[in-house]
Amino acid sequence: QKEVEQDPGPLSVPEGAIVSLNCTYSNSAFQYFMWYRQYSRKGPELLMYTYSSGNKEDGRFTAQVDKSSKYISLFIRDSQPSDSATYLCAMSATFPYEAGSYQLTFGKGTKLSVIP
Amino acid sequence: EPEVTQTPSHQVTQMGQEVILRCVPISNHLYFYWYRQILGQKVEFLVSFYNNEISEKSEIFDDQFSVERPDGSNFTLKIRSTKLEDSAMYFCASSGIGGDDEQYFGPGTRLTVT
Repeated sequence: QKEVEQDPGPLSVPEGAIVSLNCTYSNSAFQYFMWYRQYSRKGPELLMYTYSSGNKEDGRFTAQVDKSSKYISLFIRDSQPSDSATYLCAMSATFPYEAGSYQLTFGKGTKLSVIP
Repeated sequence: EPEVTQTPSHQVTQMGQEVILRCVPISNHLYFYWYRQILGQKVEFLVSFYNNEISEKSEIFDDQFSVERPDGSNFTLKIRSTKLEDSAMYFCASSGIGGDDEQYFGPGTRLTVT
């Protein structure tokens, strides 16, 4: 079983739609969860991170973690064409503030297109 | 805004040759990483580096790979004898401490082994 599963899409939505992106994971040791956005042939750019179960909001973005189900989500409200990118979930078994350095395990990424 | 930079953006090399990929992490960061992404596949962790030592490495990071911080600003990944399957995007990342512990990624170096 792969550690982190993410539907690669592609996912195509009209401008203004609510987008839901999801990842499941099998390693219950994962404690730190992130969402990165990656434009074509660029490096991943951190969008949001969270340590705990529940919701975290930042503008149009909401990250949700359900540790009991080993399931994380990213919601994008009022999606814009500029949101078109690949969204990567990533997670770590180590809290950075405890260990300093930590290794990220990524999902494969979901390619999102927002159509004007 | 501070950022991680990487050079070159694209490197073409012949199988069996040595390559060195260069990174300049964010200046006050202490932890440095290399990841790679083979076309169409996941971003994969290679190695982390702190205080002039490797902290962790994956099974991908075999004896063909080495990392170095030759001076106060650069962080390098060397592949001693490249193979076709080393063709990938290589990303450098860095992180700090005390509230700045997220990993920030550079734009990547595309390595093509022919």
